[in-house]
Amino acid sequence: AQSVTQLGSHVSVSEGALVLLRCNYSSSVPPYLFWYVQYPNQGLQLLLKYTTGATLVKGINGFEAEFKKSETSFHLTKPSAHMSDAAEYFCAVSPTSGTYKYIFGTGTRLKVLA
Amino acid sequence: EAGVTQFPSHSVIEKGQTVTLRCDPISGHDNLYWYRRVMGKEIKFLLHFVKESKQDESGMPNNRFLAERTGGTYSTLKVQPAELEDSGVYFCASSQTPARYTFGSGTRLTVV
Repeated sequence: AQSVTQLGSHVSVSEGALVLLRCNYSSSVPPYLFWYVQYPNQGLQLLLKYTTGATLVKGINGFEAEFKKSETSFHLTKPSAHMSDAAEYFCAVSPTSGTYKYIFGTGTRLKVLA
Repeated sequence: EAGVTQFPSHSVIEKGQTVTLRCDPISGHDNLYWYRRVMGKEIKFLLHFVKESKQDESGMPNNRFLAERTGGTYSTLKVQPAELEDSGVYFCASSQTPARYTFGSGTRLTVV
């Protein structure tokens, strides 16, 4: 069975500092991988996804993530945090066939300090 | 293109009452999914429609939950009777191509 672990339910960074949100997955075969963001009172917005090809994936708002098969990780990074990045971030996996239903992590709430 | 629309955005009901959530997917999207996030836990899969057929309903918590998708268009999720533990945010998503979801804004359900 697939599972997703997000380390740190709350992460605080200073404005301008590096953002690193960790995601590890468990799957018998490499899945599709996603990062979603939820801003207050809004829905889930796709930041980026890995399906096939290049393992370093660039997304919206300056975020990127690298798929590391050997480490079963898909950590999300951004070189310089902005106040507007404050939100909750979710890592998710889905199988590469069948219903494509997602397995989500528990989420990481990012706080950006002025 | 219009996104996935969910309503109501918020619903507060008393324990034992019935609530119906609605999801309008993006036009032409055959796949429709329901997910739920309860009390700050992970977002969990409830079920998956392909057009009007239930493809996978393995995540439905119990028989108090009934999902339908009329004519392969909009979908409803009815909770009857609602219990306190049903409180949470219910998300709907639709997709045409595999694993390429668009999520709605969610319905926040509070059962008191």
